[in-house]
Amino acid sequence: EVHLVESGGGLIQPGGSLRLSCVASGLSGNNNHITWVRRSPGKGLEWVSAIHSGGATYYADSVKGRFTLSRDNSKNTLYLQMNSLRTEDTALYYCARVLALGSGWVPFDVWGQGTTVTVS
Amino acid sequence: DIQMTQSPSTLSASVGDRVTITCRAGQTISPWLAWYQQKPGKAPKLLIYRTSSLQSGVPSRFSGGGSETEFSLTISSLQPDDFATYYCQQYDTYPWTFGQGTKVEIK
Repeated sequence: EVHLVESGGGLIQPGGSLRLSCVASGLSGNNNHITWVRRSPGKGLEWVSAIHSGGATYYADSVKGRFTLSRDNSKNTLYLQMNSLRTEDTALYYCARVLALGSGWVPFDVWGQGTTVTVS
Repeated sequence: DIQMTQSPSTLSASVGDRVTITCRAGQTISPWLAWYQQKPGKAPKLLIYRTSSLQSGVPSRFSGGGSETEFSLTISSLQPDDFATYYCQQYDTYPWTFGQGTKVEIK
């Protein structure tokens, strides 16, 4: 069974930096991509970034140039480095799995519990 | 970016009702459309992917349909556990985008 556990959230001043972690367990093969999705207070869901199993990364325009994805395969951990944080980055951040099947992708079938980032 | 527009924003219904939520994409995304359910304090839950494929473990009262730019989520007989917020999401093109959500409330 796949489990995702986020950590690293907290209270940070505007302009500051924070690094979120997502530890994945139960993943096997090269058909797993990991993404970050956030939910701001009183708002809906927003896709933030994704890293494919081959290493390609993708970002929402709102975070491009400020957020960077990386991973440590030896630790089964994905990192989201967030720099130049803004008040509008305040949100609950989830990591979620995208499963790549031969017939296409199954998006966000497994989610972590989320970690809260407050920029104030 | 592909804009996703859901309607209605809020839906009041009773247990046993058949309810339908619609989602319109700013361009053709078929069939790469998913639906999620989110309850307060919980992570979203995948219900439907690839427009109409039911995720494992999701009750069969949930169904999805549509094509091109118009999609729908139907709950055939609303149950007490179904009162929640529902989101559509396109995963045809990065950046992936969500609809603004539809809150299903008790009438």
